[in-house]
Amino acid sequence: GAVVSQHPSWVICKSGTSVKIECRSLDFQATTMFWYRQFPKQSLMLMATSNEGSKATYEQGVEKDKFLINHASLTLSTLTVTSAHPEDSSFYICSARSTAEQYFGPGTRLTVT
Amino acid sequence: AQSVTQPDIHITVSEGASLELRCNYSYGATPYLFWYVQSPGQGLQLLLKYFSGDTLVQGIKGFEAEFKRSQSSFNLRKPSVHWSDAAEYFCAVGFSSNTGKLIFGQGTTLQVKP
Repeated sequence: GAVVSQHPSWVICKSGTSVKIECRSLDFQATTMFWYRQFPKQSLMLMATSNEGSKATYEQGVEKDKFLINHASLTLSTLTVTSAHPEDSSFYICSARSTAEQYFGPGTRLTVT
Repeated sequence: AQSVTQPDIHITVSEGASLELRCNYSYGATPYLFWYVQSPGQGLQLLLKYFSGDTLVQGIKGFEAEFKRSQSSFNLRKPSVHWSDAAEYFCAVGFSSNTGKLIFGQGTTLQVKP
């Protein structure tokens, strides 16, 4: 099946710095990608929908200036957590939508110290 | 508002026993329904989905699910559980316009006893 990768798989950063997470569809083109956040032992919460060549659509309550999303090509979307704080520590998962279905990346564990 | 509820946070079954994971949804229109499995270090994998037609859906790894509109349910079943089925299972509902946007339930952790 289709493969979606995320990089890095885990990252530790200091409070106040910014972190970029990449999401790539390896063998298909994805006009739409999604970013989710998952807290320990909890569900996935949709943060935003990323459309290639246009601005991302953020879910209610998600700070667009804090979580910058760029979908520069049909195979790459990036999530930048700006001025990260400990409360931003979480597991971030992306998914990429093909014509058939949605494929999920393995996730990125972010720890802010 | 749309929502998905998985009443069982944690379930333990013996290997070889049958399994049923519950899922209830709240959605005003015809739902697109999904079951995903999440294993450590791996992305969510689609087990099965329901869009329309036959309400009993067959999926991968021997799983099946039945859509019951009257009960707003989409329960996942497997007749005989294997130790490798231990994982986190998520039910999700998609919008009828099929934008790809999904709302997930809280997840059910399945533990399999030898």
